[in-house]
Amino acid sequence: SQQGEEDPQALSIQEGENATMNCSYKTSINNLQWYRQNSGRGLVHLILIRSNEREKHSGRLRVTLDTSKKSSSLLITASRAADTASYFCATDARRDDKIIFGKGTRLHILP
Amino acid sequence: KAGVTQTPRYLIKTRGQQVTLSCSPISGHRSVSWYQQTPGQGLQFLFEYFSETQRNKGNFPGRFSGRQFSNSRSEMNVSTLELGDSALYLCASSLRGLNTEAFFGQGTRLTVV
Repeated sequence: SQQGEEDPQALSIQEGENATMNCSYKTSINNLQWYRQNSGRGLVHLILIRSNEREKHSGRLRVTLDTSKKSSSLLITASRAADTASYFCATDARRDDKIIFGKGTRLHILP
Repeated sequence: KAGVTQTPRYLIKTRGQQVTLSCSPISGHRSVSWYQQTPGQGLQFLFEYFSETQRNKGNFPGRFSGRQFSNSRSEMNVSTLELGDSALYLCASSLRGLNTEAFFGQGTRLTVV
């Protein structure tokens, strides 16, 4: 079963609005990462947040991590057309260090 | 510096054949991991190599194998191809391993007919 599950599966918003995606996971983790994938291409690393961190920022990105709820959120502020992509969270479980990706959120920014 | 290079980009094979995919990591990166991406199963971890040794392995049958060379380049082999092996195969390199920032290649799109 998937360790990470993103929510929603798909999201369409107007350019300029903020986009929020959530990721839930099942077991204790070392860290959680967010990646972006443009259609059919490789993944681009966005941000890594460690299990002892609660919030991290990178440009227009803000990631939060709540280990008590086993969940993370990715906020993209002031969205742009170029943000249209699929976003994945990836966790590495403490028990075996394997990386598990969620099925992703497909984000579509409307002009 | 050059990114992660995967070859070939596209491949069409027939059921029963075998295939070898190649990945050249970023210079200095010793960890190479492989993933299979399909619409139904999403991104699934295949295995990770670090300094020529397989360090982690996902839940794939033995038909899927890999290796890493002394220059950190890695190859992935799939034998006795099945239709369900059609997927985008992604390779990622990182300095120290799975729980650090990984840089992905563009992938190899494998179609099994």
